[in-house]
Amino acid sequence: GNSVTQMEGPVTLSEEAFLTINCTYTATGYPSLFWYVQYPGEGLQLLLKATKADDKGSNKGFEATYRKETTSFHLEKGSVQVSDSAVYFCALSTKNTGTASKLTFGTGTRLQVTL
Amino acid sequence: GAGVSQSPRYKVAKRGQDVALRCDPISGHVSLFWYQQALGQGPEFLTYFQNEAQLDKSGLPSDRFFAERPEGSVSTLKIQRTQQEDSAVYLCASSPAAAFSSYNEQFFGPGTRLTVL
Repeated sequence: GNSVTQMEGPVTLSEEAFLTINCTYTATGYPSLFWYVQYPGEGLQLLLKATKADDKGSNKGFEATYRKETTSFHLEKGSVQVSDSAVYFCALSTKNTGTASKLTFGTGTRLQVTL
Repeated sequence: GAGVSQSPRYKVAKRGQDVALRCDPISGHVSLFWYQQALGQGPEFLTYFQNEAQLDKSGLPSDRFFAERPEGSVSTLKIQRTQQEDSAVYLCASSPAAAFSSYNEQFFGPGTRLTVL
């Protein structure tokens, strides 16, 4: 089956620090990979995605590269801001005949950025 | 435009009560998903609708859970005889196209937090 493992939080960083949140996966078939973000009091929002090996997803200064050889999709940002404080979820989806392309999520990593 | 909305936002139920959770997807979206998110965990898939047809209910944890989308728009997740282990946030997501052929972005609602006492 499909599963996602991401680093446990909370991750606490000072503003302008470099961020890495690790994510690895196992999947039957060829997955698409995603990072979702959940800001306090809000719903999940898609942050970025990559649909094939070596693709790089990017948005709002965040990047993640689809690494098939290491089954990883680590999230990075060069300089975090206080407004990036949120919970980040790594997720995958596979095309399976007869079933929906449902998302499989990791457990989430809480990021706290301080001044 | 309006996003996915869910109601109520918070629900407290006594063990054994029935509850109904509502999801209003983005207008015109074909696909609708329900997920369950336990405290400190990621969301887990419950069920999927394409228009009014429930095409995947493999994630429903027991026969106490029932979902419907009779007119292909609003959906209701019903939990009968609630148990404490049903306490979680229930998320609804919609997507503009059918979900079988390729991935389409899922737009999530804010969730309903259910607490069973």
